[in-house]
Amino acid sequence: ETGVTQTPRHLVMGMTNKKSLKCEQHLGHNAMYWYKQSAKKPLELMFVYNFKEQTENNSVPSRFSPECPNSSHLFLHLHTLQPEDSALYLCASSQDRRQTGNTGELFFGEGSRLTVL
Amino acid sequence: AQKITQTQPGMFVQEKEAVTLDCTYDTSDQSYGLFWYKQPSSGEMIFLIYQGSYDEQNATEGRYSLNFQKARKSANLVISASQLGDSAMYFCAMREVYNFNKFYFGSGTKLNVKP
Repeated sequence: ETGVTQTPRHLVMGMTNKKSLKCEQHLGHNAMYWYKQSAKKPLELMFVYNFKEQTENNSVPSRFSPECPNSSHLFLHLHTLQPEDSALYLCASSQDRRQTGNTGELFFGEGSRLTVL
Repeated sequence: AQKITQTQPGMFVQEKEAVTLDCTYDTSDQSYGLFWYKQPSSGEMIFLIYQGSYDEQNATEGRYSLNFQKARKSANLVISASQLGDSAMYFCAMREVYNFNKFYFGSGTKLNVKP
Protein backbone atom coordinates (compact mmCIF):
# COMPACT_ATOMS: atom_id res chain seq x y z
CA GLU A 1 0.00 0.00 0.00
CA THR A 2 1.51 3.30 -1.06
CA GLY A 3 2.04 6.00 1.54
CA VAL A 4 -0.14 8.68 -0.06
CA THR A 5 -3.02 7.67 -2.31
CA GLN A 6 -4.95 10.03 -4.54
CA THR A 7 -8.21 9.38 -6.39
CA PRO A 8 -9.20 9.77 -9.08
CA ARG A 9 -5.98 9.74 -11.08
CA HIS A 10 -7.67 11.43 -14.01
CA LEU A 11 -10.73 13.66 -14.07
CA VAL A 12 -12.45 15.50 -16.90
CA MET A 13 -15.17 17.93 -15.93
CA GLY A 14 -17.23 20.70 -17.40
CA MET A 15 -17.22 24.18 -15.97
CA THR A 16 -20.58 23.68 -14.29
CA ASN A 17 -19.80 20.33 -12.68
CA LYS A 18 -19.06 19.63 -9.04
CA LYS A 19 -16.45 17.02 -8.26
CA SER A 20 -14.03 16.14 -5.48
CA LEU A 21 -10.45 14.95 -5.29
CA LYS A 22 -9.55 12.62 -2.46
CA CYS A 23 -6.26 12.03 -0.71
CA GLU A 24 -5.43 9.49 1.96
CA GLN A 25 -2.15 9.02 3.77
CA HIS A 26 -1.10 5.87 5.63
CA LEU A 27 2.07 7.29 7.17
CA GLY A 28 0.74 8.62 10.45
CA HIS A 29 1.64 12.17 9.47
CA ASN A 30 -0.11 15.17 10.94
CA ALA A 31 0.23 17.69 8.11
CA MET A 32 -1.40 17.44 4.68
CA TYR A 33 -1.10 19.66 1.63
CA TRP A 34 -2.64 20.41 -1.74
CA TYR A 35 -0.34 21.60 -4.50
CA LYS A 36 -1.19 22.63 -8.05
CA GLN A 37 1.25 21.87 -10.84
CA SER A 38 0.63 23.59 -14.16
CA ALA A 39 2.78 23.22 -17.24
CA LYS A 40 6.01 25.19 -17.08
CA LYS A 41 5.25 26.70 -13.67
CA PRO A 42 6.67 25.90 -10.25
CA LEU A 43 4.53 23.95 -7.83
CA GLU A 44 1.96 26.21 -6.24
CA LEU A 45 1.00 25.58 -2.65
CA MET A 46 -2.77 25.79 -2.26
CA PHE A 47 -3.67 24.62 1.24
CA VAL A 48 -2.00 23.20 4.32
CA TYR A 49 -3.70 21.38 7.18
CA ASN A 50 -1.90 20.68 10.43
CA PHE A 51 -3.69 18.42 12.90
CA LYS A 52 -6.88 18.94 10.86
CA GLU A 53 -6.66 22.73 11.15
CA GLN A 54 -6.09 24.81 8.04
CA THR A 55 -2.85 26.73 8.50
CA GLU A 56 -2.30 27.99 4.99
CA ASN A 57 -4.59 29.24 2.25
CA ASN A 58 -2.45 30.62 -0.50
CA SER A 59 -5.03 33.03 -1.97
CA VAL A 60 -6.83 30.18 -3.67
CA PRO A 61 -10.13 31.05 -5.44
CA SER A 62 -13.24 29.96 -3.58
CA ARG A 63 -14.17 27.53 -6.37
CA PHE A 64 -11.61 25.26 -4.66
CA SER A 65 -12.82 24.16 -1.24
CA PRO A 66 -10.65 21.92 0.95
CA GLU A 67 -11.86 19.59 3.66
CA CYS A 68 -9.80 17.69 6.22
CA PRO A 69 -12.02 15.47 8.38
CA ASN A 70 -9.04 13.83 10.10
CA SER A 71 -5.25 13.70 9.88
CA SER A 72 -5.36 10.89 7.32
CA HIS A 73 -7.82 12.27 4.79
CA LEU A 74 -7.89 15.39 2.69
CA PHE A 75 -10.39 16.42 0.04
CA LEU A 76 -10.48 19.15 -2.56
CA HIS A 77 -14.00 20.03 -3.62
CA LEU A 78 -14.26 21.59 -7.07
CA HIS A 79 -17.11 23.61 -8.54
CA THR A 80 -17.57 26.03 -11.44
CA LEU A 81 -13.95 25.65 -12.47
CA GLN A 82 -12.30 27.43 -15.37
CA PRO A 83 -10.23 25.88 -18.17
CA GLU A 84 -7.10 27.46 -16.66
CA ASP A 85 -7.64 25.28 -13.60
CA SER A 86 -6.61 22.28 -15.66
CA ALA A 87 -3.48 20.93 -13.99
CA LEU A 88 -1.99 18.13 -11.96
CA TYR A 89 -3.15 18.37 -8.36
CA LEU A 90 -0.72 16.83 -5.92
CA CYS A 91 -1.47 15.85 -2.38
CA ALA A 92 1.35 15.51 0.14
CA SER A 93 1.85 14.79 3.82
CA SER A 94 4.62 15.37 6.30
CA GLN A 95 5.41 14.87 9.94
CA ASP A 96 5.43 18.25 11.59
CA ARG A 97 7.64 17.53 14.56
CA ARG A 98 10.59 19.79 14.93
CA GLN A 99 12.92 17.26 16.40
CA THR A 100 16.41 16.10 15.64
CA GLY A 101 16.48 13.58 12.86
CA ASN A 102 13.11 14.52 11.44
CA THR A 103 13.69 16.24 8.16
CA GLY A 104 9.95 16.65 7.70
CA GLU A 105 10.11 16.00 3.99
CA LEU A 106 6.96 15.92 1.95
CA PHE A 107 5.59 12.58 0.82
CA PHE A 108 3.56 12.98 -2.35
CA GLY A 109 0.78 11.04 -3.99
CA GLU A 110 0.79 10.35 -7.71
CA GLY A 111 -1.50 13.26 -8.41
CA SER A 112 -4.90 13.80 -9.95
CA ARG A 113 -4.75 15.06 -13.52
CA LEU A 114 -7.67 17.46 -13.95
CA THR A 115 -8.98 18.69 -17.29
CA VAL A 116 -11.67 21.37 -17.34
CA LEU A 117 -13.56 21.68 -20.60
CA ALA B 1 12.43 37.62 -5.52
CA GLN B 2 12.36 33.91 -6.25
CA LYS B 3 13.26 31.75 -3.32
CA ILE B 4 14.54 28.85 -5.44
CA THR B 5 16.16 29.18 -8.87
CA GLN B 6 16.91 26.31 -11.19
CA THR B 7 18.54 27.74 -14.29
CA GLN B 8 18.66 24.56 -16.39
CA PRO B 9 15.26 23.82 -17.97
CA GLY B 10 16.69 20.70 -19.63
CA MET B 11 19.83 18.59 -19.42
CA PHE B 12 21.22 15.64 -21.31
CA VAL B 13 23.67 13.13 -19.88
CA GLN B 14 25.18 9.96 -21.23
CA GLU B 15 24.35 6.77 -19.37
CA LYS B 16 26.92 5.92 -16.66
CA GLU B 17 28.23 9.48 -16.53
CA ALA B 18 27.77 11.93 -13.65
CA VAL B 19 25.56 15.01 -13.92
CA THR B 20 25.09 18.10 -11.78
CA LEU B 21 21.76 19.88 -11.52
CA ASP B 22 22.00 23.45 -10.30
CA CYS B 23 19.97 25.08 -7.56
CA THR B 24 20.39 28.44 -5.87
CA TYR B 25 18.21 29.73 -3.06
CA ASP B 26 17.41 32.98 -1.36
CA THR B 27 16.79 33.33 2.34
CA SER B 28 17.77 35.59 5.20
CA ASP B 29 17.18 32.82 7.74
CA GLN B 30 20.10 31.07 9.37
CA SER B 31 18.16 27.82 9.76
CA TYR B 32 16.55 26.15 6.77
CA GLY B 33 16.34 22.86 4.95
CA LEU B 34 17.02 22.02 1.33
CA PHE B 35 15.40 19.15 -0.54
CA TRP B 36 15.59 17.51 -3.93
CA TYR B 37 12.70 15.65 -5.50
CA LYS B 38 12.41 13.54 -8.64
CA GLN B 39 9.23 13.49 -10.71
CA PRO B 40 8.99 10.73 -13.34
CA SER B 41 6.39 10.95 -16.08
CA SER B 42 3.95 9.08 -13.82
CA GLY B 43 3.57 12.28 -11.80
CA GLU B 44 4.57 11.25 -8.28
CA MET B 45 7.19 13.42 -6.59
CA ILE B 46 9.87 11.24 -4.99
CA PHE B 47 12.05 12.59 -2.18
CA LEU B 48 15.75 12.10 -2.92
CA ILE B 49 17.94 13.93 -0.45
CA TYR B 50 17.95 16.52 2.34
CA GLN B 51 20.52 19.04 3.55
CA GLY B 52 20.12 21.07 6.71
CA SER B 53 21.67 24.51 6.81
CA TYR B 54 23.73 23.58 9.87
CA ASP B 55 24.96 20.29 8.46
CA GLU B 56 28.69 20.56 7.99
CA GLN B 57 28.99 17.67 5.60
CA ASN B 58 27.36 17.36 2.22
CA ALA B 59 24.43 14.95 2.23
CA THR B 60 24.71 11.71 0.31
CA GLU B 61 22.11 9.05 -0.49
CA GLY B 62 23.36 6.27 -2.72
CA ARG B 63 24.12 7.74 -6.13
CA TYR B 64 22.80 11.15 -5.07
CA SER B 65 24.89 13.76 -3.33
CA LEU B 66 24.22 17.37 -2.56
CA ASN B 67 26.96 19.89 -3.17
CA PHE B 68 26.10 22.46 -0.51
CA GLN B 69 27.88 25.80 -0.69
CA LYS B 70 26.30 27.93 2.00
CA ALA B 71 28.14 31.16 1.27
CA ARG B 72 27.08 30.98 -2.36
CA LYS B 73 23.58 29.82 -1.42
CA SER B 74 23.75 26.90 -3.76
CA ALA B 75 22.61 23.32 -3.30
CA ASN B 76 23.44 21.41 -6.45
CA LEU B 77 22.38 17.80 -6.91
CA VAL B 78 25.00 15.42 -8.24
CA ILE B 79 23.87 12.12 -9.72
CA SER B 80 26.70 9.68 -10.25
CA ALA B 81 26.66 6.82 -12.77
CA SER B 82 23.44 7.95 -14.48
CA GLN B 83 20.90 5.32 -15.38
CA LEU B 84 18.10 5.40 -17.96
CA GLY B 85 15.62 5.39 -15.08
CA ASP B 86 17.01 8.71 -13.90
CA SER B 87 15.27 10.47 -16.80
CA ALA B 88 12.73 12.70 -15.06
CA MET B 89 12.03 16.19 -13.78
CA TYR B 90 14.07 17.22 -10.76
CA PHE B 91 12.93 19.87 -8.31
CA CYS B 92 14.90 21.71 -5.68
CA ALA B 93 12.98 22.95 -2.65
CA MET B 94 13.61 24.91 0.53
CA ARG B 95 11.84 25.21 3.83
CA GLU B 96 12.59 27.99 6.31
CA VAL B 97 12.49 27.28 10.02
CA TYR B 98 9.85 29.89 10.86
CA ASN B 99 7.26 28.10 8.74
CA PHE B 100 7.80 24.38 8.88
CA ASN B 101 4.95 23.64 6.50
CA LYS B 102 5.87 26.05 3.73
CA PHE B 103 8.08 24.60 1.01
CA TYR B 104 9.38 26.72 -1.86
CA PHE B 105 9.96 24.84 -5.10
CA GLY B 106 12.03 25.70 -8.14
CA SER B 107 10.73 25.40 -11.68
CA GLY B 108 12.57 22.13 -12.21
CA THR B 109 15.14 20.61 -14.55
CA LYS B 110 14.22 17.96 -17.10
CA LEU B 111 16.98 15.37 -17.20
CA ASN B 112 17.31 13.03 -20.14
CA VAL B 113 19.72 10.12 -19.88
CA LYS B 114 20.92 8.88 -23.25
CA PRO B 115 21.86 5.22 -23.80
